[in-house]
Amino acid sequence: EVQLLESGGGLVQPGGSLRLSCAASGFTFSSSVMSWVRQAPGKGLEWVSALSVSGGSTYYADSVKGRFTISRDNSKNTLYLQMNSLRVEDTAVYYCAKYYYNSGSLYFDYWGQGTLVTVSS
Amino acid sequence: SYELTQPPSVSVSPGQTARITCSGDALPEKYAYWYQQKSGQAPVLVIYEDSKRPSGIPERFSGSSSGTMATLTISGAQVEDEADYYCYSTVSSGNRGVFGGGTKLTVL
Repeated sequence: EVQLLESGGGLVQPGGSLRLSCAASGFTFSSSVMSWVRQAPGKGLEWVSALSVSGGSTYYADSVKGRFTISRDNSKNTLYLQMNSLRVEDTAVYYCAKYYYNSGSLYFDYWGQGTLVTVSS
Repeated sequence: SYELTQPPSVSVSPGQTARITCSGDALPEKYAYWYQQKSGQAPVLVIYEDSKRPSGIPERFSGSSSGTMATLTISGAQVEDEADYYCYSTVSSGNRGVFGGGTKLTVL
């Protein structure tokens, strides 16, 4: 059974930092493209970042570029999101999601339950 | 930046057909995917590659795409289908994703 378990969320002041983790199990993590998606309270889903299998290629939404860093440790089956210079508008539930990829088709086939990040003074 | 546009809400009576649209300039070249999200839960894939249904998704869910518009159709909508629905696609470079704003489906 595929499981994605996020952790690391919490309350942080504007300008602060937080690191989210996503522990993966039930599939070959080292062969999977991974991503973070967020959802502000009462709002829609927002694609945040994605990371290649090796970790050598990273992709970011314009809203977080330069402030967030996605990374992975394949030896620990864990995905990370380092969030710096946090803003009030970064307040959201952050989901870890596994990509399915097959010749031109790229979408999320598994999601974690999310971890809440609140940026407030 | 690239956007996918959905109606904020759709309302139908039980047993009626619900149609939710998603428009985007790149949809003629890129697949559309549809996710269902019930309150307090993670999203669930209901349609992939414009019109394919994952195993375990009821047959009343179907998808289509023509030109710059993709459509999710729920034939004979049921009360348990009440949820937010999001279309998703990839940006032209293929390495970034984008969600539509979401459509709240009410069945009552």
